Amino acid sequence: GQSLEQPSEVTAVEGAIVQINCTYQTSGFYGLSWYQQHDGGAPTFLSYNALDGLEETGRFSSFLSRSDSYGYLLLQELQMKDSASYFCAVRPNQAGTALIFGKGTTLSVSS
Amino acid sequence: DSGVTQTPKHLITATGQRVTLRCSPRSGDLSVYWYQQSLDQGLQFLIQYYNGEERAKGNILERFSAQQFPDLHSELNLSSLELGDSALYFCASSPQGASGGGTNEQFFGPGTRLTVL
Repeated sequence: GQSLEQPSEVTAVEGAIVQINCTYQTSGFYGLSWYQQHDGGAPTFLSYNALDGLEETGRFSSFLSRSDSYGYLLLQELQMKDSASYFCAVRPNQAGTALIFGKGTTLSVSS
Repeated sequence: DSGVTQTPKHLITATGQRVTLRCSPRSGDLSVYWYQQSLDQGLQFLIQYYNGEERAKGNILERFSAQQFPDLHSELNLSSLELGDSALYFCASSPQGASGGGTNEQFFGPGTRLTVL
């Protein structure tokens, strides 16, 4: 089977840094993506890693280690509006672009 | 606003019934994906269409079917509905359908919330 594991919940305070980990076990690997979803809303794309290393986009960074089948999303200078669910997703097939998603991590940011 | 539209927003129906969910992708996107999101299951990939043809299948039940029309809009048909089918159903679109680089970014619609009573 194919699975992505991520913590179910993370809590932090405003201004802090939080890391959301994702480990994957899939039939193939053609990139790790991260999506954000506010309560019941549409998931929105945050970042993508195809190669090992760190990708930075403003306050958010994403890291990938293909040898460890592991990645993480790093959120810095947390704001209340960052309270949301965060999903990691893997594209397992070269010939297709369908994604397999983790079950999501709910981030709660308090003041 | 992602540019992906879904109708209806909410749907309430009874067990055993059949419903059709509709999705219009972003202008120019050839791929449409359907996902089911239940409380405890996260986003489950159901099926992908690319330019009118089925491209990939996920955990889609036999009671469910989908198609993509020549104008690229897609419909997801759910039949013999059960209580457990109550969920948020998302449609997403992307320009790609196969390998070819890019960021694997998919653009999600606002979803259809299905309640089966």
